[in-house]
Amino acid sequence: EVQLVESGGGLVQPGGSLRLSCAASGFTFSSYWMNWVRQAPGKGLEWVANIKGDGRTIFYVDSVKGRFIISRDNAKNSLYLQMDSLRADDTAVYYCARDIESHRVSEYWGQGTLVTVSS
Amino acid sequence: DIQMTQSPSTLSASVGDRVTITCRASQSISTWLAWYQQKPGKAPKLLLYKASTLEGGVPTRFSGSGSGTEFTLTISSLQPDDFATYYCQQYNSYPLTFGGGTKVEIK
Repeated sequence: EVQLVESGGGLVQPGGSLRLSCAASGFTFSSYWMNWVRQAPGKGLEWVANIKGDGRTIFYVDSVKGRFIISRDNAKNSLYLQMDSLRADDTAVYYCARDIESHRVSEYWGQGTLVTVSS
Repeated sequence: DIQMTQSPSTLSASVGDRVTITCRASQSISTWLAWYQQKPGKAPKLLLYKASTLEGGVPTRFSGSGSGTEFTLTISSLQPDDFATYYCQQYNSYPLTFGGGTKVEIK
C-alpha cells in the first residue's frame, strides 16, 4: 500500500525557515516524480515544486523560486522541502504527492502538514 | 503561465442529477488535463487524467472530455458521496496549474 506521511509543519515567523519531510513507503520511491502542492486556508490548490526520480530534474512555481528547495533521498525513501524567507502568503497545508509513472498528475497524496507564517 | 478557469464556481444539484463542470485553459494544452475531487479536510483524489482516462477504482459515472482549451467533467448521476469540490489541472507545461475549483453542493 502506498503511503506518504508529511511532517515538519508548524508556526514560524515571517522571514523564518522550515523544512518539511515526506516519508514514502509501499512503492519504489526512486522510480517516481514527487511533488509538493499547497492549499492556503479556504483556497484552491497550488502546485509548488516537483522532482524527478533520480533527483536531477526539478521545477518550481515562480513564487517560491530562490526561497524553497525541493530534494529527495532515495536511500531513505524521503522527500523534502526546505523553505526559507517565509512570508505570510506561504501559509497553507502542504501536501506531498506522487505522480503516475508517465503523467505529471498526482495519484497518491499525503494527509498534509500545516505551515503557518505569522508573527 | 497557463491559466485554468473553471465554471461554475459553485453548483447546487440533487442526487441523481447529471452534472457538468467546465474547465478552460488560456492556451492549448492538447489533452494534458486531470480532474481531482477534494472533500473538506482531506487530500485531493485523482479522478481522471489525459482528459478522459479514468483513474483505477473511480466509478464510471465520472467521465471527462475535451481537448485544446475546453474540457468538461461529467457526473452522469450524482451520488451522495460526490458532494465535494472539483479541480482541473493542466500538465502541458510548467508551472503546473489548477483551476479555482467547483464546489458541488446539495440542492
